Amino acid sequence: NAGVTQTPKFRVLKTGQSMTLLCAQDMNHEYMYWYRQDPGMGLRLIHYSVGEGTTAKGEVPDGYNVSRLKKQNFLLGLESAAPSQTSVYFCASSRGLAGTAQQFFGPGTRLTVL
Amino acid sequence: DAKTTQPNSMESNEEEPVHLPCNHSTISGTDYIHWYRQLPSQGPEYVIHGLTSNVNNRMASLAIAEDRKSSTLILHRATLRDAAVYYCILRYQGGSEKLVFGKGTKLTVNP
Repeated sequence: NAGVTQTPKFRVLKTGQSMTLLCAQDMNHEYMYWYRQDPGMGLRLIHYSVGEGTTAKGEVPDGYNVSRLKKQNFLLGLESAAPSQTSVYFCASSRGLAGTAQQFFGPGTRLTVL
Repeated sequence: DAKTTQPNSMESNEEEPVHLPCNHSTISGTDYIHWYRQLPSQGPEYVIHGLTSNVNNRMASLAIAEDRKSSTLILHRATLRDAAVYYCILRYQGGSEKLVFGKGTKLTVNP
């Protein structure tokens, strides 16, 4: 099992450009998440999905859109990148939302917006 | 979400036990205590979780105070590979979508 994979690993964008980050999981998990991590800080939830075809906002959703067309994939889009979106982005998945549920994380995508 | 407090950093020597503390004085009776760690340049990984009783798994042990206002993650024999940022996180028993990460404790393991 590959677990949670993310594509690409690194990306440099110019302000105003768009891009899509791809997350894939092979654990048949219902729930998927996108977090961002800024230097010296913990992770913050951007958007999440509780199943195929559903998405919901997290605590820092502005400037991002997401789609979950297939159960195993969760896409994060930046329509018009800004320097404030320079960050490391982590995707995660879990079997459930219960207090006992573990989240499994991908290796991250390091994004720089110039 | 109830708040957790951890020391910013700790140091240990290789092959010695490490006790990582976490204070959560406002924990509710329905909150699970989770620990995750993040190795350098990697995503976080689950370590252990518990509710009231002490827990052991292959990675670590979790000791929970009787009043549940604090807990301690115990690495029995630290290795260089255990150098990471360790996060103590409370999870509502009924479920919530997010893990609330604080700044965690940066563990340095000396050879």
